[in-house]
Amino acid sequence: AQSVTQLDSQVPVFEEAPVELRCNYSSSVSVYLFWYVQYPNQGLQLLLKYLSGSTLVKGINGFEAEFNKSQTSFHLRKPSVHISDTAEYFCAVRRSQGNLIFGKGTKLSVKP
Amino acid sequence: EPEVTQTPSHQVTQMGQEVILRCVPISNHLYFYWYRQILGQKVEFLVSFYNNEISEKSEIFDDQFSVERPDGSNFTLKIRSTKLEDSAMYFCASRDSQGSEQFFGPGTRLTVL
Repeated sequence: AQSVTQLDSQVPVFEEAPVELRCNYSSSVSVYLFWYVQYPNQGLQLLLKYLSGSTLVKGINGFEAEFNKSQTSFHLRKPSVHISDTAEYFCAVRRSQGNLIFGKGTKLSVKP
Repeated sequence: EPEVTQTPSHQVTQMGQEVILRCVPISNHLYFYWYRQILGQKVEFLVSFYNNEISEKSEIFDDQFSVERPDGSNFTLKIRSTKLEDSAMYFCASRDSQGSEQFFGPGTRLTVL
């Protein structure tokens, strides 16, 4: 069965510092991987996705993620965060049937 | 830019009552989903719907739940007899036949008292 693990439930960081949010997945088949962001009291917005091809994927708001098949990871990074990046971030893997399996989420808190 | 919409944004109901959560997917999309997020927990898949029938459902989606596409635009989730543990944020999502990305609505917060 496929699953997603987000190791950090909360990540506090100062503004303009780099950040990495970790995601590991388990799957015996080819995967489609996604990162979604949820701002307070809002829905889920797609940040970026990996389907195939280049393992470094760039998304919106300056975020990027690297697919690492050998380590079954898809960590999300940003070189310099802003206060406005404060949100909850969800890693997800798409099953062959089409539905998404989400990790438990990582709350990013950016402090001035 | 087209978007998924959901109504109401917040629904409060008494335990045992029926609720219907409504979603309007993006117009050319063919695959529809419901997910829920209990407060403080992860987003969980409930059901997927394609070609006017359920294509997959999770173990959460028991006989108390049903989905329907009553017309060409709406996609509804009905809970027949709500329980306290049904309190959650319910998200609708849709995607087209070619795309990999699911587009999510803003959610309906259901509170069961």
